[in-house]
Formats: sequence, C-alpha cells, structure tokens
Amino acid sequence: AQTVTQSQPEMSVQEAETVTLSCTYDTSESDYYLFWYKQPPSRQMILVIRQEAYKQQNATENRFSVNFQKAAKSFSLKISDSQLGDAAMYFCAYRSSAISSGSARQLTFGSGTQLTVLP
Amino acid sequence: GAGVSQSPRYKVAKRGQDVALRCDPISGHVSLFWYQQALGQGPEFLTYFQNEAQLDKSGLPSDRFFAERPEGSVSTLKIQRTQQEDSAVYLCASTSGASSVSPLHFGNGTRLTVT
Repeated sequence: AQTVTQSQPEMSVQEAETVTLSCTYDTSESDYYLFWYKQPPSRQMILVIRQEAYKQQNATENRFSVNFQKAAKSFSLKISDSQLGDAAMYFCAYRSSAISSGSARQLTFGSGTQLTVLP
Repeated sequence: GAGVSQSPRYKVAKRGQDVALRCDPISGHVSLFWYQQALGQGPEFLTYFQNEAQLDKSGLPSDRFFAERPEGSVSTLKIQRTQQEDSAVYLCASTSGASSVSPLHFGNGTRLTVT
C-alpha cells in the first residue's frame, strides 16, 4: 500500500515571499501521479498542480512549482510571491497509474500542511 | 451543473440514528468517489463508482456504511446506527473519464457531527 507523509503540520510565510511545503511518499510502483491540493475553509479540494512520475521535468503552474525527486520519493511544492489568498490547508496526494487495478483510481492523501500567509 | 453539489452541508445526528448524504456530480461524469475526512486529517477513500457500478468499496469502515448510485448520476452515502467516530467531513468527487488521468472535481462536503 502507498503512504504519503507531510511532516509540516503548519507553515507560515510573509506575503510576497516564497515558501516550500514538503511531501514524501512510499510506493513500489514505477508509474504514478502526484498531486498538490488546496483546501480553503469552504472545504472544497482544489487541484493546484500535478506531476506524472514518468516525466523528469518538474511541473509548474504560474506561481506554483514542484521539486520532484523520484529516487528520493520526494515531492515538494514551492509557492512564489505568496498571496493572502494562498492561505489554506495543502494536501499532497498519490494515485497509481495502473488502471487495471481496482484501487488504482483512488487518491491517497497526506495529513496536510496548514499554510498561513502574513500580511 | 457547474460543479459537484453535496447536501446537506451540515448534519447533526444523535448516536444510533441513520443518515443519508447526497452527492450530485457534474453532469456526464462517469466516475464518482466518496472520501471521509476526520478533523485535522487528510481525506481517506471510502468507495468508487463507475456509472452505476460500485467497483471498489474497500474503504468503507464497516457494514454500517452503504453507498449507491442507481442511475449512474446522483449518489447517496448512507450510514446506519451512527457512532461518534463517524463524525467527519464526507467529500464527494467526480471525474469525466474512467482512467487515472482525468482530474477530480470535489464538492464542498457534508460535515457530519454525531452527538
């Protein structure tokens, strides 16, 4: 079974600064997907960024980028030019790419990091 | 609809009562998931539907939990004889395809409190 670990329960960053959220995972699979989701107080999970394990290039989405280290099983999220609206709970998640597996479609989430943005 | 809709938004139940939580996925979405999110934790998988077929129910914590999606659209998660440990946010998510690459769209969840 896959596991996802987020070792930072809380982080804070000054507005306009950069912050990095950590995530490690454990899997025996070679092909999979990794995600970062944002959950504001509204409770809706919003996809921030996604990485396919077979791609060596790190994914980027505007101010959000990842540092994907496959050998180390590490998947950190960097938020540049932090904004007040970035304040939320951030979850790292894993999904197998093996579509033949009955459980392949489910996401396995970490325990989350609460990000506070200071004005 | 514009997004995944869940109702009710909040539900308070006395221990032992039965509850039913509704999920209205995005129109045309084939796949539907239910997750349980305890306070301060990440969501945990409960069950998965592809159209009306429940393909994976390995995450349901006990036989008190039952989910259905009879016409392949709206889904209901039912919890019988609720216990305090059932208190959590229940999230529903849908996606347009059956493959792993389709992005998930989540609803706002139902917060269940069992007293």
